[in-house]
Amino acid sequence: EPEVTQTPSHQVTQMGQEVILRCVPISNHLYFYWYRQILGQKVEFLVSFYNNEISEKSEIFDDQFSVERPDGSNFTLKIRSTKLEDSAMYFCASSWGSDTQYFGPGTRLTVL
Amino acid sequence: KQEVTQIPAALSVPEGENLVLNCSFTDSAIYNLQWFRQDPGKGLTSLLLIQSSQREQTSGRLNASLDKSSGRSTLYIAASQPGDSATYLCAVSSGGSNYKLTFGKGTLLTVNP
Repeated sequence: EPEVTQTPSHQVTQMGQEVILRCVPISNHLYFYWYRQILGQKVEFLVSFYNNEISEKSEIFDDQFSVERPDGSNFTLKIRSTKLEDSAMYFCASSWGSDTQYFGPGTRLTVL
Repeated sequence: KQEVTQIPAALSVPEGENLVLNCSFTDSAIYNLQWFRQDPGKGLTSLLLIQSSQREQTSGRLNASLDKSSGRSTLYIAASQPGDSATYLCAVSSGGSNYKLTFGKGTLLTVNP
C-alpha cells in the first residue's frame, strides 16, 4: 500500500540554524500539507500546497517557514532560523482531494 | 474558527468492553471528518473517514457516526482489545478549498487485559 515517507526521523539542531524536513507524498496525490504537534498538545495545521503553490497557511507559518516541491516527488519544509519553540513533531500529509489524508511517520525536531 | 473537542480526555476499560469516544466541532460546514489512531511517539494512522453527506462508516470493530447539524461524531469500538490502547484523534476538514484538518486533543484509551 502506498505510504507517505519522511526524513529524517529525528533532527537535532542549534537555535538559529536552518533545517529542511523532507517528505515524499503518495505519488498520485494533489494536495500536500505540513502539520506539527508540540509535545502534549494538539496537532496543528501549518500549510497546504496545491498546484505548485501555497493554498493556505496558518498564523504559525511566518516568514521563517517555507515549502517547496522541487522535483515533482519531494515536498520540503524549511525553517530558516530555528527557535526553541519550534521543537515539535512535524508531520507531512497528502490527499487526492476531499478524501482521506495520509500522514507520514513524522520528523521529531529538537532545537537546543 | 473551527474548534474540535474530544471527550473524555482519557478512558480506561477492561478487555472485551464496548466503548464510545466523542467528538464535537463548532462549525458544521465541513467536507469530512476523520478518526485517527496515534501510538506514543508515532505518526497518525487513519481509521475512518466520513464525508459530510454520510451518517456513518464501519471498518471491522470500529463504527463512526456523524451528525453534522449538531456538530457531533462518535467512534464506537466493539469488543476492545489491549492492542487498541492508543490515543484516538478526531479531525474535521473545513474552510476554503484546501481541506486542511482541525484536530481535537484526543482521547487516551487504555484497554486492560
